[in-house]
Amino acid sequence: DAGVIQSPRHEVTEMGQEVTLRCKPISGHNSLFWYRQTMMRGLELLIYFNNNVPIDDSGMPEDRFSAKMPNASFSTLKIQPSEPRDSAVYFCASSLARREQFFGPGTRLTVL
Amino acid sequence: KNQVEQSPQSLIILEGKNCTLQCNYTVSPFSNLRWYKQDTGRGPVSLTIMTFSENTKSNGRYTATLDADTKQSSLHITASQLSDSASYICVSFNYQLIWGAGTKLIIKP
Repeated sequence: DAGVIQSPRHEVTEMGQEVTLRCKPISGHNSLFWYRQTMMRGLELLIYFNNNVPIDDSGMPEDRFSAKMPNASFSTLKIQPSEPRDSAVYFCASSLARREQFFGPGTRLTVL
Repeated sequence: KNQVEQSPQSLIILEGKNCTLQCNYTVSPFSNLRWYKQDTGRGPVSLTIMTFSENTKSNGRYTATLDADTKQSSLHITASQLSDSASYICVSFNYQLIWGAGTKLIIKP
């Protein structure tokens, strides 16, 4: 298995633009997590899905952030409109039930 | 409030030396405790997962201990190598994961 796949690996955009981050979890895993990591705040859970259903989105900062999981092999995290304070590394992770989480390589987002 | 606190915040040791990283948690109820290693520019990788009934668990040169009574855990690294330079994150789990801020470990040759 290739592990968790994220794209793009790097994204540079201007304030106000829409940003879409993509994630393909490990085949067979039924839980998917979106995290954001910054130097100031460390690793923060934004939202997680179980069997494609959002279970806890309390970590989503505001309405500008939205996440979808249309099927078991794909998820997106969208920021619209983006702001400079959204600059961070965004990780996707997947797991089987509540077991060990496997992380993707992350997407480094820079909003100018 | 559910919290995970780690110490030290950062640590520098010489290659070949041992070190111990600390983790205190106030998560309740408690299900399991996890240690992750995060290399610079990469996602965290799981090192160990321990339930409340386990006192110690090893993964190569990494040994994690857990005292569920005092709510403390430690990660001991034996005979450190340059590749051990990373951030080590302690995570407690009940119905959700509570992440610590991590300890940044630097191994110098």
